[in-house]
Amino acid sequence: NAGVTQTPKFQVLKTGQSMTLQCAQDMNHEYMSWYRQDPGMGLRLIHYSVGAGITDQGEVPNGYNVSRSTTEDFPLRLLSAAPSQTSVYFCASRPGVQETQYFGPGTRLLVL
Amino acid sequence: ILNVEQSPQSLHVQEGDSTNFTCSFPSSNFYALHWYRWETAKSPEALFVMTLNGDEKKKGRISATLNTKEGYSYLYIKGSQPEDSATYLCASLNTNAGKSTFGDGTTLTVKP
Repeated sequence: NAGVTQTPKFQVLKTGQSMTLQCAQDMNHEYMSWYRQDPGMGLRLIHYSVGAGITDQGEVPNGYNVSRSTTEDFPLRLLSAAPSQTSVYFCASRPGVQETQYFGPGTRLLVL
Repeated sequence: ILNVEQSPQSLHVQEGDSTNFTCSFPSSNFYALHWYRWETAKSPEALFVMTLNGDEKKKGRISATLNTKEGYSYLYIKGSQPEDSATYLCASLNTNAGKSTFGDGTTLTVKP
């Protein structure tokens, strides 16, 4: 199993540009989440999904959209990038709520 | 908004010392508590998933306890080694919807 994969690893955007961060898992996990990590602030939940076709907002959803058309994929869309969205983004998945969560390698995003 | 707090923020110990950290979380509607180990430039790696009041989990020299009634968990490291240097995160789930709230972590540095 490849586990949780994320692309790209690093991206530079200009303010106002849009892009999609890709996340995929091959473990047939129902639960998937997107987090951002900023210095001194730990991990904050952006959006999460409890299964294909079902998504919900986390703590910091503004400026981001998600969709979950398949069990495997959970892309995160930045609609109009802002410097405040400069961060490291982690995708994670787990089979059930009370089970181990597995993280992808992260995407480092710089918005100029 | 849930508030998960970890203390201390950072800790410096000598090789061979035993140490412990605290994670405080809302006790209402508790569902699960996760501990993670996060090394610099890597992704968080799951250590324990704890669900029942009084739970004790152990993995090698690392162990954890859980008190859901008062809303705290302790992580213990016995005989710390330099390779234990990392940030230790806890995350609370207070519903069955898969929505995790992370603390800011405790950063442990073990000096040889």
